[in-house]
Amino acid sequence: DARVTQTPRHKVTEMGQEVTMRCQPILGHNTVFWYRQTMMQGLELLAYFRNRAPLDDSGMPKDRFSAEMPDATLATLKIQPSEPRDSAVYFCASGLELGHHTQYFGPGTRLTVL
Amino acid sequence: KQEVTQIPAALSVPEGENLVLNCSFTDSAIYNLQWFRQDPGKGLTSLLLIQSSQREQTSGRLNASLDKSSGRSTLYIAASQPGDSATYLCAALYYGNNRLAFGKGNQVVVIP
Repeated sequence: DARVTQTPRHKVTEMGQEVTMRCQPILGHNTVFWYRQTMMQGLELLAYFRNRAPLDDSGMPKDRFSAEMPDATLATLKIQPSEPRDSAVYFCASGLELGHHTQYFGPGTRLTVL
Repeated sequence: KQEVTQIPAALSVPEGENLVLNCSFTDSAIYNLQWFRQDPGKGLTSLLLIQSSQREQTSGRLNASLDKSSGRSTLYIAASQPGDSATYLCAALYYGNNRLAFGKGNQVVVIP
């Protein structure tokens, strides 16, 4: 049963610290997405990769967030420095071509920045 | 602006009743529309995907319809069960966009 995996599942850190979240997409999927979910804003797209190339990161605060895919089995989302307003659940999702196929979501990383 | 709206934010129904969830989108130029389910503390699970050329999709007790001209999609769950309690989100993919536009969801409680 192929699944998207994310680590860590929970992270509590102090303001100013660096946070790195990792995602392993489903093997064979060529699109990877990072989302952030909060009660107020709902689900927001932060970054979108296709064949490991970043296609859309307009939803990401560029000064502190960065997203990469060092290889096809790993996507990372980094926040440096973290701020309390970054507290949210961060989801990774993967899929085949966006137009005709759905996305498969990981379980999320719940981030709390104190 | 391409927005997706789901009202009400929360609802409760007695077990056995049919559930009807509505989703509105502001721009009819959608490529597809999807319904997802989210359980507390979990990620989203895709339920149904309707391409713009389709009017509806069915899977078991679930049926989703799409009316582009009115900017609406409806998710229909027949004979609801307590296990259907979850948050249901709809998401539209617009032409020329790389991103899904998500509604904020309907939080459903099915009362035994």
